[in-house]
This record gives sequence, C-alpha cells and structure tokens, in this order.
Amino acid sequence: GAGVSQSPSNKVTEKGKDVELRCDPISGHTALYWYRQSLGQGLEFLIYFQGNSAPDKSGLPSDRFSAERTGGSVSTLTIQRTQQEDSAVYLCASSQTGISGYTFGSGTRLTVV
Amino acid sequence: KQEVTQIPAALSVPEGENLVLNCSFTDSAIYNLQWFRQDPGKGLTSLLLIQSSQREQTSGRLNASLDKSSGRSTLYIAASQPGDSATYLCAVAPSQGGSEKLVFGKGTKLTVNP
Repeated sequence: GAGVSQSPSNKVTEKGKDVELRCDPISGHTALYWYRQSLGQGLEFLIYFQGNSAPDKSGLPSDRFSAERTGGSVSTLTIQRTQQEDSAVYLCASSQTGISGYTFGSGTRLTVV
Repeated sequence: KQEVTQIPAALSVPEGENLVLNCSFTDSAIYNLQWFRQDPGKGLTSLLLIQSSQREQTSGRLNASLDKSSGRSTLYIAASQPGDSATYLCAVAPSQGGSEKLVFGKGTKLTVNP
C-alpha cells in the first residue's frame, strides 16, 4: 500500500481482556517499529523488527505485551489481560533502512475501561 | 542513555510570524535526526530528515538545522499559517546499541492564530 496501515483505529476493551493490534507496513520496508503514546507523554519505544533478525523487545513494559511479524510483513501487537494503564495510542512505523527515515501509521487508540 | 528535550512545550504565535522550535539531545552519536508533525488524534507525518553528516535540510517554508557536536537541532518555520498548528516532534536515531529505534522528545505544541 501507499502508507502504513493500522487497525483497528479505535479499540475499547474491558480490563482483563486480551487485544490484538495490527500493522501493515509499506511494501518492501524491512524495519518495523511499535511505539506507544500515552496522554500528555512522549512516544515510548516498544519493539523493533529488522528483516529476519531477532526482534529488539527491550521496550516492552511487561510480559503481557508481545508482538510478532509474519513473513517479514504484517505485525501484530498483543496485549494480554489489559490494564487501565495500557490505555494509549499505539503507533506503528516502518522504514526501508533506518537511515532513510520512518513512515508512521495513524495509530490505534486503545481505551481500557 | 539518549534523552531528547524540546523547548518550548507550547508556543502560540500570530499568523505570518517566523518561528523556531528547539530540540536538544544528550548523546551526539546519532545516525540521523527527524522532525515530525502530529495533528490531534492522528499519526506522525515526517517533515524533514537530517543525516548525521548533514547540517541542514529544507522543505518549502521549513528549515531544519543540526549541530551534532552541541547536541542541538532547530526547526525554522517561515511565514507561519493557521494550518501549521500541530505538535512538532523531534526524534533521533542513536548509533549506539545496534538498533535504529528512535528516541523522541515530548514535542512542542504550536498554535498559529489567524
């Protein structure tokens, strides 16, 4: 596609439920990133995929968070047993190489009630 | 650990004014620096990307400079318009650690009044 696509755009879930967020990067982009933006805060790095290398998971806040990238393309971020503090906008970005700049999707706004 | 600071946190100017947004970073070992724009409820739109070997980049009314040794970047917006109202984010790609994840500042919220 022409840009990075994220779905759903909005998600409201009950505390304790699991959610899956999807990111479809730009075709041919080998690097994919997930960030989180909480209200009034800056962007927080979560996880980074580069080609077939092992992902950099150093930003995941707890073991309730996991992500996978299938076939080097679509990525899914899964949050298990959601908590209210998980409420945020989750942004995905992709790049062809890191030095060529990043393209972000429009984000998924997650609200845990 | 790389930290990125943006000053001011918010800025309100009348239409037509030239303005400068500031970004500073603590570790000068960077791959590149990128300026983004974020409209309310939206994702990030890339404005300018400056490689570590470059001093500045220009796009239309926007000019971004980079002084790597002092850990500073500025985004200059000429002849501001109400449509420029948004939050502007600065991000650096650290060269340490072998990963290219960006470190973001908290942004400057710009309001351009008609």
